[in-house]
Amino acid sequence: KNQVEQSPQSLIILEGKNCTLQCNYTVSPFSNLRWYKQDTGRGPVSLTIMTFSENTKSNGRYTATLDADTKQSSLHITASQLSDSASYICVVSSLKAAGNKLTFGGGTRVLVKP
Amino acid sequence: NAGVTQTPKFRVLKTGQSMTLLCAQDMNHEYMYWYRQDPGMGLRLIHYSVGEGTTAKGEVPDGYNVSRLKKQNFLLGLESAAPSQTSVYFCASSGRPAEGVRNQPQHFGDGTRLSIL
Repeated sequence: KNQVEQSPQSLIILEGKNCTLQCNYTVSPFSNLRWYKQDTGRGPVSLTIMTFSENTKSNGRYTATLDADTKQSSLHITASQLSDSASYICVVSSLKAAGNKLTFGGGTRVLVKP
Repeated sequence: NAGVTQTPKFRVLKTGQSMTLLCAQDMNHEYMYWYRQDPGMGLRLIHYSVGEGTTAKGEVPDGYNVSRLKKQNFLLGLESAAPSQTSVYFCASSGRPAEGVRNQPQHFGDGTRLSIL
C-alpha cells in the first residue's frame, strides 16, 4: 500500500533558527515528490516538486532534498520567520496512479515563536 | 487571478440533510479533485475528474456524488449527510500531465468547513 510518513508531527522553533522536516514514503513506482505549505484556514500551496533525477530543490528559504534510493525526503527551513508557522505536507505521485492521484502525508505542524 | 474558488466557506447541516459544494477554477485545467481533511490525517481523495463529463472514485467515495458538467466547475454532493462527514473539504485542479511527465502541481481552494450535527 502506498504510504507517506512524516516526522515530527509538530515542532516549535525560535524565530531566526533553522529546522528540518522528514518524509519517508513507500509509493511505487515513484514519479515525483512534492512539499506543500498549508497555513491555518487555507488550502495547501506548492513549495517544491522533485522528480527522480533531482536531489535538491530550493524555493527561497525552503530547500527540499530527495534520496530516491532510501525513499526519503527532507524540507529544510532556513532563518525561520513568524510567517513560516504552518503545516508542511509531503506528497508523492506514482507513475501508475490513474488521474495523476497523489498520496499525502499527515503533515508536520511548525510553530515559529518570536 | 481567482485560481480555485470554493463555495460556501462554512456550513452546518443536520443529519439527513443534503447539500452541494461548488468548486470553480479559472485556469482552464482538465483535472479536478475533491478531498477531505480530518485532524491527524492526510488529505484523502473522494472523487476526481480528468475532463468535462467524466468522474471517477477516489479513496473514500461512499456517501458522496460528483458532477463535472462544465470544465471549470466540479460539484460535490452529499445526499444524506452523516456526522462522519464532518470535515474540511478541499477542491484542487491541475493541468493534464504530458506523456511520461506527472509533475503538474495541484492548485487548491481554501476549503469548505462542514459540520453535521
